[in-house]
Amino acid sequence: QQQVKQSPQSLIVQKGGISIINCAYENTAFDYFPWYQQFPGKGPALLIAIRPDVSEKKEGRFTISFNKSAKQFSLHIMDSQPGDSATYFCAVLFSGNTPLVFGKGTRLSVIA
Amino acid sequence: DSGVTQTPKHLITATGQRVTLRCSPRSGDLSVYWYQQSLDQGLQFLIQYYNGEERAKGNILERFSAQQFPDLHSELNLSSLELGDSALYFCASSPGRGTPLHFGNGTRLTVT
Repeated sequence: QQQVKQSPQSLIVQKGGISIINCAYENTAFDYFPWYQQFPGKGPALLIAIRPDVSEKKEGRFTISFNKSAKQFSLHIMDSQPGDSATYFCAVLFSGNTPLVFGKGTRLSVIA
Repeated sequence: DSGVTQTPKHLITATGQRVTLRCSPRSGDLSVYWYQQSLDQGLQFLIQYYNGEERAKGNILERFSAQQFPDLHSELNLSSLELGDSALYFCASSPGRGTPLHFGNGTRLTVT
């Protein structure tokens, strides 16, 4: 069964701190590992994505680290801000015909 | 704005009833996906259509059905509704496999 395990479920970080969210998957993945950000009342929006030919991708304060052999990837949010408070979902595109499989989400709260 | 439009935004109905959720994908996107989001289960994939044809099926109940029309808009039909069907239903679209999913803002269904 294709599963994506995301942790932690919730996270509280001080303003200016680093937020770290981890994901792990089983079975064979295709080549696409996106992270989505969701604010209350809105649909998830693509935040950043990585393909497995690189081990790290950085966009502004957001960085994805990818460990293909361990089948793990993580999102780091540097200098976390209150505006980053949202729910974050990792996702994996597995081999075969299945669309994106999402983790269960991490609710991030950044407090001043 | 993701470019994906979902209607209605809110729907309140009684058990045993049938409802139809509508989705207009981003211009040019051939794939439409339906996801269900509940508090404990995250984003659960229901079904995908590509250019009018069913492409993949997830954990969609037999009481639920969907279709994609020639103009590429899609409808999700939920029948014999139960209290447990109360959730957020998201539609997403993409040009094809391995490309970002763009989500609408969802339809919140409440079954009373």
